[in-house]
Amino acid sequence: EVQLVESGGGLIQPGGSLRLACAGSGFNVTSSYMSWVRQAPGKGLEWVSIIYSGGSTLYADSVKGRFTISRDKSTNTVFLQMNNLRAEDTAVYYCARAPYYESSAYYHWGQGTLVTVSS
Amino acid sequence: SYELTQPPSVSVSPGQTARITCSGDALSKQYAYWYQQKPGQAPVLVIYKDSERPSGIPERFSGSSSGTTVTLTISGVQAEDEADYYCQSADSSGLYIVFGGGTKVTVL
Repeated sequence: EVQLVESGGGLIQPGGSLRLACAGSGFNVTSSYMSWVRQAPGKGLEWVSIIYSGGSTLYADSVKGRFTISRDKSTNTVFLQMNNLRAEDTAVYYCARAPYYESSAYYHWGQGTLVTVSS
Repeated sequence: SYELTQPPSVSVSPGQTARITCSGDALSKQYAYWYQQKPGQAPVLVIYKDSERPSGIPERFSGSSSGTTVTLTISGVQAEDEADYYCQSADSSGLYIVFGGGTKVTVL
């Protein structure tokens, strides 16, 4: 059974940094397309970043230059390093997995981790 | 930046048909995906590649595409279908993932 478990969220001051983790089980992150998607309170879904099975990465304009996505094959975990956080980054952050054979279909999602940026 | 447009809300009586549209210039070239999200829960994929249904999703959920508009249809709506629905696609480059603003389906 595929499972995704996010961790690392919390309250952080503007300008601060956080590192989110998404631990996967029942599949390999290196053979999947892994995205981070966020949802601000009461708002819709916003795609943030993706790491492809080959290792290349892509970012939404709103986070480019501030966020970095990476993965660790040994722990089957995907990370999102978030620097220079702003109030508008406050959201529930979900990691989501698309299999390599359906690379845009996010069949599996984690439960989400809340990031609150506030002084 | 590229946008997908959905109606904010749709209301439907039990047993009737709900149709949710999603419009975007690149939809004639890029596939669309649909997600259902209930309060406090993660999204669930209900349609992929415009009209394919994942295993475990009820047959009353269907998808279609015409030009730059895709449609999610829920036939014989049930109370449990009350949720927010989001379309997802990519821009014309096929690289950047975009979500629609979401449609709240209310079962009267």
